[in-house]
Amino acid sequence: KQEVTQIPAALSVPEGENLVLNCSFTDSAIYNLQWFRQDPGKGLTSLLLIQSSQREQTSGRLNASLDKSSGRSTLYIAASQPGDSATYLCAVRRVTSGTYKYIFGTGTRLKVLA
Amino acid sequence: SAVISQKPSRDICQRGTSLTIQCQVDSQVTMMFWYRQQPGQSLTLIATANQGSEATYESGFVIDKFPISRPNLTFSTLTVSNMSPEDSSIYLCSGDRVRGDTQYFGPGTRLTVL
Repeated sequence: KQEVTQIPAALSVPEGENLVLNCSFTDSAIYNLQWFRQDPGKGLTSLLLIQSSQREQTSGRLNASLDKSSGRSTLYIAASQPGDSATYLCAVRRVTSGTYKYIFGTGTRLKVLA
Repeated sequence: SAVISQKPSRDICQRGTSLTIQCQVDSQVTMMFWYRQQPGQSLTLIATANQGSEATYESGFVIDKFPISRPNLTFSTLTVSNMSPEDSSIYLCSGDRVRGDTQYFGPGTRLTVL
């Protein structure tokens, strides 16, 4: 059974800091991994999608890496801003035939202080 | 990208009644997913909805309690039947346009059962 864990559960940092969020999964047979952010009371917004054959993806100040063999992904946020405050979730897509699904991590609540 | 809307955005319901949540996508999506998110928690997959076939339910969720329809590639409904206070949660739908591509989420429906 695939389990996805995120560490830390919560993080508070001053503005301008670079930070790393971690995502671990128990079954390395994944199709892809996606990082999302969720603002309070809102739906999820996709940040980055990494296919299983890729090592990393970048978008602006965000960089996500994937190490399938060790069951880990990291989301690096450079020069954090108060607007980055949100909950960050990772999700892995299981390798299956026919119907597929995503397993979500436990989330990291980030607060960036001005 | 795909834009997903949900109706209603929130509702307060009485125990024993049923509520149908609608999920509309502005373009065709391959698979649609329904999730439940309890306060402060991550997302739990309820079921996967493929057009033209019955939904596939996760362990702990049954069709009699959460019937789902997927009449076409842009629309799905989830009904929460015979509600109890334990069903109070946020319900989210999502879809992806290409198998295994980016998941897009609706804004969620906040349900309170008294």
